[in-house]
Amino acid sequence: AQSVTQPDIHITVSEGASLELRCNYSYGATPYLFWYVQSPGQGLQLLLKYFSGDTLVQGIKGFEAEFKRSQSSFNLRKPSVHWSDAAEYFCAVINGGTSYGKLTFGQGTILTVHP
Amino acid sequence: DTGVSQNPRHKITKRGQNVTFRCDPISEHNRLYWYRQTLGQGPEFLTYFQNEAQLEKSRLLSDRFSAERPKGSFSTLEIQRTEQGDSAMYLCASSWTEGTDTQYFGPGTRLTVL
Repeated sequence: AQSVTQPDIHITVSEGASLELRCNYSYGATPYLFWYVQSPGQGLQLLLKYFSGDTLVQGIKGFEAEFKRSQSSFNLRKPSVHWSDAAEYFCAVINGGTSYGKLTFGQGTILTVHP
Repeated sequence: DTGVSQNPRHKITKRGQNVTFRCDPISEHNRLYWYRQTLGQGPEFLTYFQNEAQLEKSRLLSDRFSAERPKGSFSTLEIQRTEQGDSAMYLCASSWTEGTDTQYFGPGTRLTVL
């Protein structure tokens, strides 16, 4: 069965510092990969997605992610974190080698931003 | 377009009672998904519909759980004889089959079973 691993449960950064959230997946075929963000009491908002093509994808709010097939990774990055970025971040993959269907999520990384 | 909406936002019930949640997807979306999220975990897939047809159900969806989407628009998720272990956030998402299947999530229904 496929799985998604987010090794860091909680990350703390200072405002203005760079950020990298790690995501590793276990899946044989080309995956369809997503990053979502969830603020307290809110639903999930899509930050970015990778389906094919350029392995560096740009998303909303200044986030980007890079797909590295050799490392089975899809890490999320932001060059300068803002206090409003504090939230929980989820990496997810679509099952089945198709472009539709159920999402399998990692357990999430909580981001705390210090002023 | 107001996005995916879910009602109620919060539900507190006693063990053994039945509860029903509603999800209204984005109007042109033909796929609708239900997920469950417990504290400290990522969402877990429960079931999904394409139009009226329920195409896949997770093993997490016990016999006490039933979902419907009778007219291919809104969907309901019913839990019968609730247990304390059912306490969770229930998330609904919708998507459109044309192009890539990006799922847009609603705010969720928080269920507390006492």
